[in-house]
Amino acid sequence: AQKVTQAQTEISVVEKEDVTLDCVYETRDTTYYLFWYKQPPSGELVFLIRRNSFDEQNEISGRYSWNFQKSTSSFNFTITASQVVDSAVYFCALSEATKAAGNKLTFGGGTRVLVKP
Amino acid sequence: SAVISQKPSRDICQRGTSLTIQCQVDSQVTMMFWYRQQPGQSLTLIATANQGSEATYESGFVIDKFPISRPNLTFSTLTVSNMSPEDSSIYLCSVESAGTPLYEQYFGPGTRLTVT
Repeated sequence: AQKVTQAQTEISVVEKEDVTLDCVYETRDTTYYLFWYKQPPSGELVFLIRRNSFDEQNEISGRYSWNFQKSTSSFNFTITASQVVDSAVYFCALSEATKAAGNKLTFGGGTRVLVKP
Repeated sequence: SAVISQKPSRDICQRGTSLTIQCQVDSQVTMMFWYRQQPGQSLTLIATANQGSEATYESGFVIDKFPISRPNLTFSTLTVSNMSPEDSSIYLCSVESAGTPLYEQYFGPGTRLTVT
């Protein structure tokens, strides 16, 4: 069975600080996908990134960066120079990569990030 | 990316009644998914809905409680039947975008349900 663990339930930082969100996953699949989503107070789920299990390159998108380490089954997310608008709940998710199953996602428990001005 | 809308955006319902939630996508999609997010919790998959076949339910969810329709490639409904306060949640539909090899998944804005 697949499992995603986000050990940090809540992180509070002051604006302009960096914040790193941890995500550890478990799967028996050799092919899988990892995702990060942002859920601001308004409630919608915003897609941030998808990473497949064969691509261990780190990725940077603006102030966001992701560190994928297959050896430790981790897919961590860093927000650099945080802003108040980054305040949200962030979810890490894992999917099986089979056409039959579709892209069913298993979500972690989420990490609430509070950025104070 | 697909644009997804849900109706209603929120509702307050009495226990024992049923509510049908609609999910509309602006493009044809193969698979649609229904998730539940209980207050302060993460998302849990209820079922997968393919057009032209019965929905596939996850452990802990049954068709009698959460009947799903998928009449075409752009639309699906989820009904929450015989509601109780424990059904108070955000219900989200999601879709896979078309393309290969495997898909990004986008979510609708959610339906916030409160059962009194």
